[in-house]
Amino acid sequence: SQQGEEDPQALSIQEGENATMNCSYKTSINNLQWYRQNSGRGLVHLILIRSNEREKHSGRLRVTLDTSKKSSSLLITASRAADTASYFCATVDLIIQGAQKLVFGQGTRLTINP
Amino acid sequence: ETGVTQSPTHLIKTRGQQVTLRCSSQSGHNTVSWYQQALGQGPQFIFQYYREEENGRGNFPPRFSGLQFPNYSSELNVNALELDDSALYLCASSLGDPAGAYNEQFFGPGTRLTVL
Repeated sequence: SQQGEEDPQALSIQEGENATMNCSYKTSINNLQWYRQNSGRGLVHLILIRSNEREKHSGRLRVTLDTSKKSSSLLITASRAADTASYFCATVDLIIQGAQKLVFGQGTRLTINP
Repeated sequence: ETGVTQSPTHLIKTRGQQVTLRCSSQSGHNTVSWYQQALGQGPQFIFQYYREEENGRGNFPPRFSGLQFPNYSSELNVNALELDDSALYLCASSLGDPAGAYNEQFFGPGTRLTVL
């Protein structure tokens, strides 16, 4: 089952604009991660934010985390055509001691129009 | 450093057949996880192997099975294929920590399986 939901499911903006995607999750977490996926290929890790952090930056990416609302957002500033992809948030779920799995949302499909 | 590789890239099978997908983990990693991603959905955890032992399993039937070899590469086997098994299959390798610390999972490019 999916951990949470991403919002919106699809987003289309003009190149140069900012894109914001939101993710909600259900259980308590130690960290939350964002991934990018181009055209049904493998997942690329973008950023990890820990439960004791509220905001994190990496280049044009800004991630916020609100554990009281069980939600996170990913902001991509000054978007480029190459940012066109699906974006997923994922939380870590403990299976047994030493074994962890990633639990993904359904993703946001981002399209950057030239 | 060699990344995670998967083979084959694409595969077409018919219902009832069996399939084997392969994954080579990143150098130094001892843990491999497999995920199934249906079209338009997020990846779903199938199972994980740590030092050649199954170390956790998601909500998938027993016809999904796996192996991990001494070099930490891995196979995913699916028997009695069904139409709903059509998906992108992703493997991810990581350095397992029995103490429970989270280590990043690095994903391969995936195998696209189509069941007709």
